[in-house]
Amino acid sequence: QSVLTQPPSVSAAPGQKVTISCSGGDSYISSNHVAWYQQFSGTSPRLVIYDDDVRPSGIPDRFSASKSGASATLAITGLQTGDEADYYCGAWDNSLRSRYVFGTGTKVTVL
Amino acid sequence: EVQLLESGGGLVRPGGSLRLACNVSGFPFSDYAMNWVRQAPGKGLEWLSGITDTGEATFYADSVRGRFTISRDNSKNIVYLQMNSLRGEDTAKYFCAKPGFSASLGRNFDYWGQGTLVTVSS
Repeated sequence: QSVLTQPPSVSAAPGQKVTISCSGGDSYISSNHVAWYQQFSGTSPRLVIYDDDVRPSGIPDRFSASKSGASATLAITGLQTGDEADYYCGAWDNSLRSRYVFGTGTKVTVL
Repeated sequence: EVQLLESGGGLVRPGGSLRLACNVSGFPFSDYAMNWVRQAPGKGLEWLSGITDTGEATFYADSVRGRFTISRDNSKNIVYLQMNSLRGEDTAKYFCAKPGFSASLGRNFDYWGQGTLVTVSS
């Protein structure tokens, strides 16, 4: 029952670029900082973007993100086989519910 | 080094209870809120609950409010999740997650535990 919508899957060849969208209502993305998480099969999620477009230490600059209104986008350029994983956006919900919400998740496949 | 280590998972019958614990180290625990997140098999991430640094305020997802209780012991660097009235749909891996900023409950989560598996089945 996620309120942030992502495409189920995206794919591209090695070296190419993929973009993942994350859309939701005004109480989520437009009002709060967006984060992006990478999760390899069977492992814990890893933060790859925070505060809409900031990379944590150790995350390569091939990962970038942006936000506009009620939508956010994660871009991965120079795609590598090691980027194949699930990616989730996330943001705080400013509505009366006071909760954190994750996106539906996107599987990135390197062809 | 920041470490979060969950424990307490296992097999429980519907209607039963479990208490999960998350032992943390490597950062000033009492300065940070903490959260629990779960992931059902083959499904996405679901935020469950958060607790402020002092424990004075708690927050819950609709799916667990009234059944789950988050708490913390700042003297032991542990955050708990008491789970009651468990249902089959609560079957999942449960993660504890640390916020990236000490002043924020859920701006982002920069460290995660390895998770503990909870299976609810008769």
